[in-house]
Amino acid sequence: AQSVTQLDSQVPVFEEAPVELRCNYSSSVSVYLFWYVQYPNQGLQLLLKYLSGSTLVESINGFEAEFNKSQTSFHLRKPSVHISDTAEYFCAVSILTGGGNKLTFGTGTQLKVEL
Amino acid sequence: NAGVTQTPKFQVLKTGQSMTLQCAQDMNHEYMSWYRQDPGMGLRLIHYSVGAGITDQGEVPNGYNVSRSTTEDFPLRLLSAAPSQTSVYFCASGLIGSGNTIYFGEGSWLTVV
Repeated sequence: AQSVTQLDSQVPVFEEAPVELRCNYSSSVSVYLFWYVQYPNQGLQLLLKYLSGSTLVESINGFEAEFNKSQTSFHLRKPSVHISDTAEYFCAVSILTGGGNKLTFGTGTQLKVEL
Repeated sequence: NAGVTQTPKFQVLKTGQSMTLQCAQDMNHEYMSWYRQDPGMGLRLIHYSVGAGITDQGEVPNGYNVSRSTTEDFPLRLLSAAPSQTSVYFCASGLIGSGNTIYFGEGSWLTVV
């Protein structure tokens, strides 16, 4: 079975500061990796995903994540955050074969951007 | 585009009552699923379907039933509501394939008293 660990339940940061949200996973088989974002009172939206190829993936709003197979990590980073980035961020995995579309989620990290 | 539509958005039930959460998608997605979101626990898969007539259990299926008579609809039924089922429920859909994006509805807030 797969598991996802997001050690930080809350991350406060000042606007324009950099941020890193940590994600580690455990799986005996190869996985795809995802970051989803949930704005207040809304559903989840895909932020970015790693399927194959370059281990660094980027989103359209300035976030990036790097797949590190040796450390089984997929940390999310942004060099300069904005107030509008305040949201909950979920890391998730799905296995390449045999698991279909099933996602296993971490417990989420609440990012709070302050002025 | 409507995407994934859930109804109702809010519901209060008494213990023992039954109800159905509706989910519809207009993207012709074969895969549909229901998750529940609880504080500190992330999202957990309740049931999922890979096409009309095909359903299967997820991580936390007890107390819930599903059916998939059409590609578009995937209702979730609570047979006899319990306070432990107080949660936020999300319906999600996507094209079949583990790397494909899953699209979520806006959620249904359910309180069982």
